[in-house]
Formats: sequence, C-alpha cells, structure tokens
Amino acid sequence: DVKVTQSSRYLVKRTGEKVFLECVQDMDHENMFWYRQDPGLGLRLIYFSYDVKMKEKGDIPEGYSVSREKKERFSLILESASTNQTSMYLCASRPGQGGSPLHFGNGTRLTVT
Amino acid sequence: EDKVVQSPLSLVVHEGDTVTLNCSYEVTNFRSLLWYKQEKKAPTFLFMLTSSGIEKKSGRLSSILDKKELFSILNITATQTGDSAVYLCAVGRGASGTYKYIFGTGTRLKVLA
Repeated sequence: DVKVTQSSRYLVKRTGEKVFLECVQDMDHENMFWYRQDPGLGLRLIYFSYDVKMKEKGDIPEGYSVSREKKERFSLILESASTNQTSMYLCASRPGQGGSPLHFGNGTRLTVT
Repeated sequence: EDKVVQSPLSLVVHEGDTVTLNCSYEVTNFRSLLWYKQEKKAPTFLFMLTSSGIEKKSGRLSSILDKKELFSILNITATQTGDSAVYLCAVGRGASGTYKYIFGTGTRLKVLA
C-alpha cells in the first residue's frame, strides 16, 4: 500500500513565522502535489512537482514556495505566515506515467494566529 | 477556465435510501475523472473513469461517465451511516507525465439511522 506521510497533524504558528510542511511518500512516485482545503472552496492546488528538483505553480501559489530535493520528499514553505493561510493542507503523490489516482496524506491542519 | 462542479452541496438521507451525486466539468485535455470519499482524514480513492458509458461498481457504490455531456454520477444504494462523508470529484488533465487534477467543492452526505 502506498503511504504518504505528513509530518504534523496539527500546527499552530504566529503571523510572520516561516512554516515548513513536510510530506514523504514511500512508493517512488514521480509526481507530488500540495493542496489546501477550505470549506466551500474544495481542494485547490498550490504547487506540484513532476520529478526531483522540478516544480510548477498551481492555481494559488502566492505566499508559498516548495522544495523537492529528494524524490520521496516534497516540502511546502510559507515564507511569512498570514492568518488567511489558516487551512487544511493535503499532500498527494502519484506515479509519473499512465493514468493513476492521487494518494493522499492525512493532512496538516495549520492555524496561524 | 477549467472547472468542476458538484451537486448537491449537501444531502441528508435515511439509512436504506439511494443517493445520486453529480459531477459536471469543463476541462481542456480531459484524461480521467476520479471519485474520492473523505471522512476525517485523507480522501480515499473510490473510482477512476476514463471511458464513457462503462459503469464501475464496488459493492453498493457505482459510477459512470458521460464524456459527451461532460458529467459523471456516483450512486450509493442502501445507504448506511458509515457512508456519511464528503464525496469529492476530481478531473485529470494534461499529458502523462504532467497530470494535474482539478477538484470540485465536494458533496457532504449525512446518512441518518
């Protein structure tokens, strides 16, 4: 079974702090994704990565950056956290070839105060 | 602009009822449509649909895709309280190595005993 692990389930940070959300997958998947999920807005794509050291902006990249130094790890960085970044963050991965579904981590609920 | 619309937004039924959830889409370079079930944590994969008119079935759940009319339905028969969840529809677009999924806002289903 594919396992996607997000480092924290709950996180509380202060406005202006730099925040790192970590995601690790154990199935050698090429593609990895970061979404945020908000009530009434569904899942919105922040950034994704097709392979190591590659990254693409999603629909709402402002205020975020990412890092993919190793294939199994995809990090989401909030450079200077703001209250409007309070949300549930979901990481997902999938193989690079063929049509395959996304496999999700359990999510990190981030609160910025 | 690509969009995925789910209806209804929420639904309350009694155990034993049959429900139909809808997902319509307008997406360029369509590749696949996915259904997920989300309870408290990670969305769990239900179905992947790529061809029109072919029903996918798993127990009491079934789904079908209409690529001409650009929609899919998810049916749940003989509902149980354990079916209470948010059901997410996602549409995959793009080339094989650069797949991207766009999500609808979800349908919240509550099944009463």
